[in-house]
Amino acid sequence: EVQLVESGGGLVQPGGSLRLSCAASGFRLSDHYMDWVRQAPGKGLEWVGRTRNKRYNYTTEYAASVRGRFTVSRDDSKSSVYLQMNSLKTEDTAVYHCARLLYSSGYYVDYWGRGTLVTVSS
Amino acid sequence: DIQMTQSPSSLSASVGDRVTITCRASQGISNYLAWFQQKPGKAPKSLIYAASSLQSGVPSRFSGSGSGTDFTLTINKLQPEDFATYYCQQHNSYPLTFGGGTRVEIK
Repeated sequence: EVQLVESGGGLVQPGGSLRLSCAASGFRLSDHYMDWVRQAPGKGLEWVGRTRNKRYNYTTEYAASVRGRFTVSRDDSKSSVYLQMNSLKTEDTAVYHCARLLYSSGYYVDYWGRGTLVTVSS
Repeated sequence: DIQMTQSPSSLSASVGDRVTITCRASQGISNYLAWFQQKPGKAPKSLIYAASSLQSGVPSRFSGSGSGTDFTLTINKLQPEDFATYYCQQHNSYPLTFGGGTRVEIK
């Protein structure tokens, strides 16, 4: 059974840092692209960033709102994906989900994690 | 960035109804369009990819259509468990973008 479990969320002050983890199980992480998607309280979904798989040299993509502040990384040997968040702003407050992508004429999310809440507040 | 516009933003329907949600892209995205369902406090669930392909395990009452800029999610014979918020997402180009969501409520 595919499972994605996020952790590492919490309360952090503006300007602070936090590292989120996504533990993957039930599949071989190294085969897959992985995304981070967030949802601010009462708002819609916002794509944050992506890590490609080893075949594509683990390259990454980011939303403009987080580029230069957030870094997506992964450790396939630990079946884990990470989101390092620096210089946090109040508008980064959200539930952060990791998501697995599957290739079928394009890369599409097929599984989501339940998310971890990040609150940026003084 | 490609803007995704969903309509309506909310709708009321009864069990057994047929529901149609539309998603319009600000520029052509071929068929690189996915649909997701989300219930309060839960993770999103993937329903459809490539505009019209059903994800494994998704009931056949869900269907998707469209190509280019205009897309539709249809739910036939609405069931009680279908009351949720639905989002479209384009996968044509970065940054990936979502529609604003359509909340399906019980009439």
